[in-house]
Amino acid sequence: SQQGEEDPQALSIQEGENATMNCSYKTSINNLQWYRQNSGRGLVHLILIRSNEREKHSGRLRVTLDTSKKSSSLLITASRAADTASYFCATDDLNLFFGTGTRLTVIP
Amino acid sequence: NAGVTQTPKFRVLKTGQSMTLLCAQDMNHEYMYWYRQDPGMGLRLIHYSVGEGTTAKGEVPDGYNVSRLKKQNFLLGLESAAPSQTSVYFCASSYLRTEAFFGQGTRLTVV
Repeated sequence: SQQGEEDPQALSIQEGENATMNCSYKTSINNLQWYRQNSGRGLVHLILIRSNEREKHSGRLRVTLDTSKKSSSLLITASRAADTASYFCATDDLNLFFGTGTRLTVIP
Repeated sequence: NAGVTQTPKFRVLKTGQSMTLLCAQDMNHEYMYWYRQDPGMGLRLIHYSVGEGTTAKGEVPDGYNVSRLKKQNFLLGLESAAPSQTSVYFCASSYLRTEAFFGQGTRLTVV
């Protein structure tokens, strides 16, 4: 499977701290995407990074990609209680495969 | 602009019954996907389509069939429901394999 795998499975931090989660994948990719899922809802796209990019920013989000290690990281800076959600990475191939996600809890 | 709409939102089936889940998108996307999500787990791809009239198997296709007769609709069928198919089903669509837009999900319970 080309499925991405997130690490850690769960992360609990205080509001204002930074949260870092990682994604590893198995095959060559054209792009890697990060999504957020609030409890019971559909996934929402956060950011896409292409294979020829090493870093990308969007607001409080910073994504890095290391294609030699087949890994990506998502950094959320100055976290807020509203950031509490599950975060998934997805790799492209002929279709979109998702990992099992990182459950982030931000404590007010 | 509704995005991706799934019908129904909730359903309870008896073992052996059949049903069809409907996914409709109004973004003219070529790619459409059906996923299932079980408690504490990620999304597993059931079937997907890369265009009108095409379908392909994903990771967990057994027990499901799909059809894409119109570009905007992607149907997921359960011919003979089993308790193991109790799950939350998500449909998504995308332009090529970039940003995917998800529906709100269908909670299916098979008793």
